[in-house]
Amino acid sequence: NAGVTQTPKFRILKIGQSMTLQCTQDMNHNYMYWYRQDPGMGLKLIYYSVGAGITDKGEVPNGYNVSRSTTEDFPLRLELAAPSQTSVYFCASSTGLGFQPQHFGDGTRLSIL
Amino acid sequence: AQKITQTQPGMFVQEKEAVTLDCTYDTSDQSYGLFWYKQPSSGEMIFLIYQGSYDEQNATEGRYSLNFQKARKSANLVISASQLGDSAMYFCAMNPFDRGSTLGRLYFGRGTQLTVWP
Repeated sequence: NAGVTQTPKFRILKIGQSMTLQCTQDMNHNYMYWYRQDPGMGLKLIYYSVGAGITDKGEVPNGYNVSRSTTEDFPLRLELAAPSQTSVYFCASSTGLGFQPQHFGDGTRLSIL
Repeated sequence: AQKITQTQPGMFVQEKEAVTLDCTYDTSDQSYGLFWYKQPSSGEMIFLIYQGSYDEQNATEGRYSLNFQKARKSANLVISASQLGDSAMYFCAMNPFDRGSTLGRLYFGRGTQLTVWP
């Protein structure tokens, strides 16, 4: 009954460091998404994928990269971390059918100092 | 462009009372879905209720109902018989169906912080 699993839950990075946020889902969903949530704001889409090997930019893609080599995994890569990337990151998955909800992971709280 | 507006940054309600959380949206798409999510202080996003733009009946899920007024482009969440555990941030979100290149993505409002007091 895992659903969407994100690791790590918390991380502190120094400016300029890189890291990968991991996301895996066991629901065999083709669609996966990465969102960021800044304080007092709703979620904004960073990248999304409609299937293995297919990714596309969302609303706020700068400073991030993604890959989708399998249906299950959708890692988010931060290169040269900047303070503006301090946020809570959510991974989600869905069937892609508009009337079905997205299932979210528990989030990764990332601080860049 | 898609836009979701939640005008109430915070709402307070007494336990066992009903409360309405407002949501208006702006879209040029004819087909879309509207969702409400709950985010407790622990941070996870919990799906509550869904309404399709072509659904004639208002959606209901237990104590949650969605007051959908298509002409006004509003999709307010009604929580009946509030409980202390309902204290959380609530987000309204929209999924436009007509835009095939972003199928399934959600546009979120800024949220409303609901506090239920005894």
